[in-house]
Amino acid sequence: GQNIDQPTEMTATEGAIVQINCTYQTSGFNGLFWYQQHAGEAPTFLSYNVLDGLEEKGRFSSFLSRSKGYSYLLLKELQMKDSASYLCAVKGGATNKLIFGTGTLLAVQP
Amino acid sequence: GAGVSQTPSNKVTEKGKYVELRCDPISGHTALYWYRQSLGQGPEFLIYFQGTGAADDSGLPNDRFFAVRPEGSVSTLKIQRTERGDSAMYLCASSPSGTKGETQYFGPGTRLLVL
Repeated sequence: GQNIDQPTEMTATEGAIVQINCTYQTSGFNGLFWYQQHAGEAPTFLSYNVLDGLEEKGRFSSFLSRSKGYSYLLLKELQMKDSASYLCAVKGGATNKLIFGTGTLLAVQP
Repeated sequence: GAGVSQTPSNKVTEKGKYVELRCDPISGHTALYWYRQSLGQGPEFLIYFQGTGAADDSGLPNDRFFAVRPEGSVSTLKIQRTERGDSAMYLCASSPSGTKGETQYFGPGTRLLVL
């Protein structure tokens, strides 16, 4: 079967660093995506990993270990506007569909 | 340039009615995807078009759901005999050519409520 797990909710403090984990089991692997979704809005692309290692993009970094079926999204210097749901998605197998986790709702507190 | 657009933004209908949801992808994108997202869940894949043809429709839940993309640009998701369980956010996404590493860009969604 196909399964993507991530924590349901997390809380962090403005200015701090937070790590959101994602584990996956899919039939085939063609990359892992992280999206940010504010309430009532569309998901917006944050990062893409297809090879093992860390991808850094400003305050956001994403890590992938294919052998462990594991990824994390690291958010630094948290701002209040970072309060949102963070979706982990895997592109697996022969088709181009994305398989999403349930999302991690991050609340950034002052 | 313009992103993915979807109309209507909200649709309220009665159980048993027929609805059409429209998606206008980013200009020039040949790949188009439909997803459905229930509250508190991640998006679930419905169907993927490459050009005019449905390359993968394995996510359509039953034969009440159908989608078309007759000219390879705009797509319409059609739901017959709507049920209360169809209430969700319907998201459309597009990507340039559908190759495996491409990012999918999402539209703002249509929120469907079936009473």
